[in-house]
Amino acid sequence: SAVISQKPSRDICQRGTSLTIQCQVDSQVTMMFWYRQQPGQSLTLIATANQGSEATYESGFVIDKFPISRPNLTFSTLTVSNMSPEDSSIYLCSAPTGGNYGYTFGSGTRLTVV
Amino acid sequence: GQSLEQPSEVTAVEGAIVQINCTYQTSGFYGLSWYQQHDGGAPTFLSYNALDGLEETGRFSSFLSRSDSYGYLLLQELQMKDSASYFCAVPLGAGSYQLTFGKGTKLSVIP
Repeated sequence: SAVISQKPSRDICQRGTSLTIQCQVDSQVTMMFWYRQQPGQSLTLIATANQGSEATYESGFVIDKFPISRPNLTFSTLTVSNMSPEDSSIYLCSAPTGGNYGYTFGSGTRLTVV
Repeated sequence: GQSLEQPSEVTAVEGAIVQINCTYQTSGFYGLSWYQQHDGGAPTFLSYNALDGLEETGRFSSFLSRSDSYGYLLLQELQMKDSASYFCAVPLGAGSYQLTFGKGTKLSVIP
């Protein structure tokens, strides 16, 4: 099955700054997804990143806060902008790399904003 | 919209069988998936059911009843390494590749 490399694995950031998270897939995928997960909680979809078009954001998430790039079919970045402590969470990228909704996830980025 | 209900926690004994239930309310049905996530790890895909019945993959099986809007994940011959959170998930809508996840069930396997 496919492998998604995600980095950084964790970071501690000052409020007001921005962090860019990268995901690299070892095969070409048409869509990539970005999720947020509080420890011990469910996964919440932030946006869908499509190559060649703007990302599609879910309710409650906006491009100015979470800009996404998708320069090719194997790579995507999510930036968490102007961070506040409420942005402290685990951020995960994902892609449909198998049939029947068998999605592969990156290993996650644990972000702490202080 | 889509909503899924799962028990928050389940505890079972090593070697036993455990069933994790998931009931869903969806506008249309496009399949039910299950994912496993160990503490500090990434979710990993376990199974997918689009039709009624039981799908078996080794020690893990997944069942679906569309008429009852209900599914479950069955784990047999439990091992300590099965201690993890288990999430059911459904697509957001017709033709959608995006998934919405249940709140997850934390399974603790005890000796």
